[in-house]
Amino acid sequence: QQKVQQSPESLSVPEGGMASLNCTSSDRNFQYFWWYRQHSGEGPKALMSIFSDGDKKEGRFTAHLNKASLHVSLHIRDSQPSDSALYFCAASPLTGNTGKLIFGLGTTLQVQP
Amino acid sequence: EAAVTQSPRNKVAVTGGKVTLSCNQTNNHNNMYWYRQDTGHGLRLIHYSYGAGSTEKGDIPDGYKASRPSQENFSLILELATPSQTSVYFCASGENWGQDTQYFGPGTRLLVL
Repeated sequence: QQKVQQSPESLSVPEGGMASLNCTSSDRNFQYFWWYRQHSGEGPKALMSIFSDGDKKEGRFTAHLNKASLHVSLHIRDSQPSDSALYFCAASPLTGNTGKLIFGLGTTLQVQP
Repeated sequence: EAAVTQSPRNKVAVTGGKVTLSCNQTNNHNNMYWYRQDTGHGLRLIHYSYGAGSTEKGDIPDGYKASRPSQENFSLILELATPSQTSVYFCASGENWGQDTQYFGPGTRLLVL
């Protein structure tokens, strides 16, 4: 079973709209989260990390973490066509091999002009 | 921003042949990683390194070797390539172990015939 599960698998929003992506860890040891974005033909690029309960905002991107439920979300406001990409959630553990990242399968976001 | 380069960008190999994928980073990061990306599996860790001279097995190391001859360079070696190793391979680097952002290269697309 995937330790990091993402939903939805794909998402389409109009330009200027809000995109909401979800991620859940099935292992309570994995509590540090990242969001990565990958445009077609490129490598993944880190968008933001979140380690504490609550919201973290960076520009148009807001991440929300609920440690009790091990759920993290990413909200993109005022979506742009350039935001069309594959978005990965990744998690690293509290204990053990703390440098290892476990990636979810990704959410494909399409922003319609 | 961290600079990670990979070579070659595309490679066609024959079954049973030897393949070497190279990665270079210019940011003096201690940690380097090799992943493969496949549809339905996301990004999976093959090998990683804490620094020059060290290599560690990741989650799917079978059929792969790694070499870290210097701080800057990290190679992935397929001694006897098989068609199941057809994939896109990404190298990444990170400064610190544990809860640290990883910076990815542009990827190498490998086709094993």
